[in-house]
Amino acid sequence: GQQVMQIPQYQHVQEGEDFTTYCNSSTTLSNIQWYKQRPGGHPVFLIQLVKSGEVKKQKRLTFQFGEAKKNSSLHITATQTTDVGTYFCAGLNNAGNMLTFGGGTRLMVKP
Amino acid sequence: GAVVSQHPSWVICKSGTSVKIECRSLDFQATTMFWYRQFPKQSLMLMATSNEGSKATYEQGVEKDKFLINHASLTLSTLTVTSAHPEDSSFYICSATHRRGGYTFGSGTRLTVV
Repeated sequence: GQQVMQIPQYQHVQEGEDFTTYCNSSTTLSNIQWYKQRPGGHPVFLIQLVKSGEVKKQKRLTFQFGEAKKNSSLHITATQTTDVGTYFCAGLNNAGNMLTFGGGTRLMVKP
Repeated sequence: GAVVSQHPSWVICKSGTSVKIECRSLDFQATTMFWYRQFPKQSLMLMATSNEGSKATYEQGVEKDKFLINHASLTLSTLTVTSAHPEDSSFYICSATHRRGGYTFGSGTRLTVV
């Protein structure tokens, strides 16, 4: 079945440092989605990437979808304490009927 | 727009009790809703896909008689954990798709079985 691997599992950074999380799927994806879950909260949809090689930006966040539509990354520039949380990628299969979540990357930011 | 309301947010029950969790799409119609389970510091695991007016599709390893799903209308899906036991304690969360893309999640239900 479809597997989505996400690394790293945990990341501690000093406030102001950059952060990147990577997502790899075992199969080609229809799209990839990114979610943020704050401690004690529920996942919140951040963005969806559909096209091969697509790059999207949201303020300090940059999202990329690989050319083969099997990998993706989320990069945060100059992290802030408000960036703390777990970032999940989720890949939608080509049939469009299964969304598989990566294991998440827990980001901790030291002020 | 695209809000999913989930209740209750937290429930503590005695072992053997059945617990019903409701998920409502407030401002859109959700023909399909998804139910997930999340253990502490772990990812979301899909339990079942709920389709309005038909039987839910369960993932491998999920007992359909244990986790009853009903999707009676386009805006409401319910998950009932029957005869809950301590090992059923977890965070249960629903989601639904909407036209603008992505999945909207409910706020989740923390179930503690004592």
